[in-house]
Amino acid sequence: DAGVIQSPRHEVTEMGQEVTLRCKPISGHDYLFWYRQTMMRGLELLIYFNNNVPIDDSGMPEDRFSAKMPNASFSTLKIQPSEPRDSAVYFCASSEVTGELFFGEGSRLTVL
Amino acid sequence: SQQGEEDPQALSIQEGENATMNCSYKTSINNLQWYRQNSGRGLVHLILIRSNEREKHSGRLRVTLDTSKKSSSLLITASRAADTASYFCATAGSARQLTFGSGTQLTVLP
Repeated sequence: DAGVIQSPRHEVTEMGQEVTLRCKPISGHDYLFWYRQTMMRGLELLIYFNNNVPIDDSGMPEDRFSAKMPNASFSTLKIQPSEPRDSAVYFCASSEVTGELFFGEGSRLTVL
Repeated sequence: SQQGEEDPQALSIQEGENATMNCSYKTSINNLQWYRQNSGRGLVHLILIRSNEREKHSGRLRVTLDTSKKSSSLLITASRAADTASYFCATAGSARQLTFGSGTQLTVLP
């Protein structure tokens, strides 16, 4: 298996623009997680899905953030409008029931 | 919010030495996991220890868990330069999600 695939790896955009991050989980994994990593706040869970259904989105910072999982092989995290404080590395991870998370390589977002 | 706090924040050792990192957490857990992150890369799972286990080994890794003290330690024996990375503990409670600590930056000098 190719592992969790995220795109883009790097994104530089201007404040106010819409940003869409994409994730393809490992086939057969029932859970998908979106994390954000910054120096100041470390790794924060934004939202997670089970069988394509959002279970807990309490970590989503505000209404500018939204996430979808239209099918078992694809998820998106959208920020609209983006702000400089959204600059971070966004990770997608997937897992089976057993608990071990498999992370993608991350999407590094810079909002100018 | 972060559940676990690693100690020390940074550790520098010589190749061949052992490295010990500690993790403390605040609430009850089902399991505790350790992950490694190389610079600019995603996190990689190292080992999982359940709340009813006290010690677990995997290769050069040894993890202990003390639920009464709400703490865990990760020992890497005979360290190598390739072990240079950040190491995170993560706790899983009754809900499915993992909460990560702030990490220990390990540098192994050749």
